[in-house]
Amino acid sequence: DAGVIQSPRHEVTEMGQEVTLRCKPISGHNSLFWYRQTMMRGLELLIYFNNNVPIDDSGMPEDRFSAKMPNASFSTLKIQPSEPRDSAVYFCASSQTSGVTDTQYFGPGTRLTVL
Amino acid sequence: RKEVEQDPGPFNVPEGATVAFNCTYSNSASQSFFWYRQDCRKEPKLLMSVYSSGNEDGRFTAQLNRASQYISLLIRDSKLSDSATYLCVVNELGSYDKVIFGPGTSLSVIP
Repeated sequence: DAGVIQSPRHEVTEMGQEVTLRCKPISGHNSLFWYRQTMMRGLELLIYFNNNVPIDDSGMPEDRFSAKMPNASFSTLKIQPSEPRDSAVYFCASSQTSGVTDTQYFGPGTRLTVL
Repeated sequence: RKEVEQDPGPFNVPEGATVAFNCTYSNSASQSFFWYRQDCRKEPKLLMSVYSSGNEDGRFTAQLNRASQYISLLIRDSKLSDSATYLCVVNELGSYDKVIFGPGTSLSVIP
């Protein structure tokens, strides 16, 4: 079975450019999570969706970040404009049930470098 | 105080050793707990859930102490393949459900 799919796997961009990260959750999963991981701050939850509806976006750093989930099989995380401090690994994860208490399955991550 | 704290690492242990990690959490209303494992430059993967009565999976044992607000992970007979970062995860249910990952503890098992 296919796991969580993320694209691109690596992204290098210049400051000020728009970046779009993509995620396809495991089929049949009802919850989707976006995380950011850095050496300094560890793994941080940015936003999560239940049944395509954003539930908690309190972890989104600022207005430059936005996330959408137009259907059950696709989500995007967009950064506009990007800044060097956004450089990190961004993970998408999905879980079977609605809510946060179920096992989360992570994608391979997108390694973002903003120059 | 941070919401979830873990033993500072790294832990360097010889093969065959027993090693224990602790994780403390600040919110007494926390509902569920997990240990995840993350290999270098890879994604986190679930190692085991942590139940109130404690649970064991082969060489791994997880314990929960709600009164003292900590969970532990014990690894017996360490293998080289156990080298990774171990992340403690705490879930809180409320107006907004929260998922909080600890900073992780790095383990290196040495031949």
